Amino acid sequence: GAGVSQSPSNKVTEKGKDVELRCDPISGHTALYWYRQRLGQGLEFLIYFQGNSAPDKSGLPSDRFSAERTGESVSTLTIQRTQQEDSAVYLCASSRPSLGMDRGTADGYTFGSGTRLTVV
Amino acid sequence: GEDVEQSLFLSVREGDSSVINCTYTDSSSTYLYWYKQEPGAGLQLLTYIFSNMDMKQDQRLTVLLNKKDKHLSLRIADTQTGDSAIYFCAERRLSQGNLIFGKGTKLSVKP
Repeated sequence: GAGVSQSPSNKVTEKGKDVELRCDPISGHTALYWYRQRLGQGLEFLIYFQGNSAPDKSGLPSDRFSAERTGESVSTLTIQRTQQEDSAVYLCASSRPSLGMDRGTADGYTFGSGTRLTVV
Repeated sequence: GEDVEQSLFLSVREGDSSVINCTYTDSSSTYLYWYKQEPGAGLQLLTYIFSNMDMKQDQRLTVLLNKKDKHLSLRIADTQTGDSAIYFCAERRLSQGNLIFGKGTKLSVKP
């Protein structure tokens, strides 16, 4: 598609339930990133997929968080047994394979509009 | 402490220049970026600078990089009300695949 698409745009869930957030990257973008943005805070890195390499999961805050990506397409971020502290906007971004020196590849990330998760 | 630091708020009058500052800690950073986030939207890339440059100009935007002090700034000339948003500084390090973001500076432009 023309941009990075995330769904749902808003999700309200009860504490203890599981949620799945979806990200559809730009076609041809092999790298995909998930970030979390709590109210009034900066972006907290969660996980990074690059092609067929093992994902970098170093930012996942607990084992309740997991993410999958099939090939170079859609990714889902799953949060199990949600807690109120999980309330945030979850942002997905995608980029071309490498950030080289010319502007075309150094344009870096294209972000989706995010999923606003509220845990009540 | 934070890897990338920015002041949280900046208020300017329409027509004035805005300067948003950022400091980072990793001398191996290769690219430094400025992103803009409007309310309810994702982040939009504004501009970037490669670490071997000290200045880059793009229309109303000027980026200055002081690599010795690890200080980056974004100047917006003739600031307009449409420039009101949160501006994020981000660094890309050789050792990591993901960008490291600051907390963002909320720019308010008063008419």
